Amino acid sequence: DARVTQTPRHKVTEMGQEVTMRCQPILGHNTVFWYRQTMMQGLELLAYFRNRAPLDDSGMPKDRFSAEMPDATLATLKIQPSEPRDSAVYFCASGFGASGSYEQYFGPGTRLTVT
Amino acid sequence: SQKIEQNSEALNIQEGKTATLTCNYTNYSPAYLQWYRQDPGRGPVFLLLIRENEKEKRKERLKVTFDTTLKQSLFHITASQPADSATYLCALDEGDQTGANNLFFGTGTRLTVIP
Repeated sequence: DARVTQTPRHKVTEMGQEVTMRCQPILGHNTVFWYRQTMMQGLELLAYFRNRAPLDDSGMPKDRFSAEMPDATLATLKIQPSEPRDSAVYFCASGFGASGSYEQYFGPGTRLTVT
Repeated sequence: SQKIEQNSEALNIQEGKTATLTCNYTNYSPAYLQWYRQDPGRGPVFLLLIRENEKEKRKERLKVTFDTTLKQSLFHITASQPADSATYLCALDEGDQTGANNLFFGTGTRLTVIP
């Protein structure tokens, strides 16, 4: 049963520290997405990649967030420096498609708390 | 401004009845609309996709309608069961020509089916 995996599942850190979240997409999927979910804003797209190339990262605060996909089995989201307002659940999702719309498979999320 | 509104944050319904969830949008032109289910502490799970030229789509006890004139989608669960209790999210896809499948999510409706 293929799944998207994310590590860590929970992260508590102090303001100013660097946070790195990792995602392993489903093998064979060509698109990877990073989302952030909060009670107030709901699920927001931060960035996404197609065939490992970044397509759009306009949803991310550029000065502190960065997303990369060093290889087809790993996507990373970094926050440096972290701030309390970054506290949220971060989801990675992957999917396969060439055109049209297609389902996204979500990971279990990383719950980040910045104190 | 762009908005995706899902009816009432919470909906309680008696087991066996039909649950109807609403998704209304403003200033979007979705070519596709998707519905996801999210359980507490988990990532969203894909349920159904409907295209703009489709009026209705069914899958087992689920039915989705899509009215681009009203700018609305309705999501129905017939013969509801306590196991259907979850948060349901609608997501719009404007059908980017790159096929990137960039989804815009509503904030969700929390459904509780009472035995």
